[in-house]
Amino acid sequence: SQQGEEDPQALSIQEGENATMNCSYKTSINNLQWYRQNSGRGLVHLILIRSNEREKHSGRLRVTLDTSKKSSSLLITASRAADTASYFCATVTGTYKYIFGTGTRLKVLA
Amino acid sequence: GAGVSQSPSNKVTEKGKDVELRCDPISGHTALYWYRQSLGQGLEFLIYFQGNSAPDKSGLPSDRFSAERTGGSVSTLTIQRTQQEDSAVYLCASSLFPGQGNEQYFGPGTRLTVT
Repeated sequence: SQQGEEDPQALSIQEGENATMNCSYKTSINNLQWYRQNSGRGLVHLILIRSNEREKHSGRLRVTLDTSKKSSSLLITASRAADTASYFCATVTGTYKYIFGTGTRLKVLA
Repeated sequence: GAGVSQSPSNKVTEKGKDVELRCDPISGHTALYWYRQSLGQGLEFLIYFQGNSAPDKSGLPSDRFSAERTGGSVSTLTIQRTQQEDSAVYLCASSLFPGQGNEQYFGPGTRLTVT
């Protein structure tokens, strides 16, 4: 079964609003990564946060990590129609194991 | 530079036939992964290669599935005697090295439909 569980499963917002999605996981991790997937095809890496970091920014993206709660959140500010996609968290354990969550489907309405 | 490529992009096959899916990783990437994604679902790990070796085949669903990698580059995922439940998008990803802090680069996937 997937370690990461994203919440909500689906999210619909208006352009310009902020979108927040959450990821929970079960075991210790080395780092956590967020990916975006358009149209059910390949995933694109967005941002990585290491287990000893609490917050990270990249452009309009802000990621937080709470290892005590085994959870992470991804915030997309000032959303655009082009942000419409599915977003997945991936936890990295050991030396190579990436475990992907079930994803949040984001729809940004123009 | 070129990204990860996969072929074919779409494959329709009859139940019971064998299929081969190909992945060309980014040049120089030592780690290669195969995942399967069913409609509306997350990614299911299938197999991981480090160079030509596959230290983790734990995700292969059955002995009908096999994979190989040659020359530390191209990988082929073979599904024998396909079943309808094999229908999914098969994604390949590569990374420079395995391990902490390395992002994965994904190909566009092969959409397999078993009729």
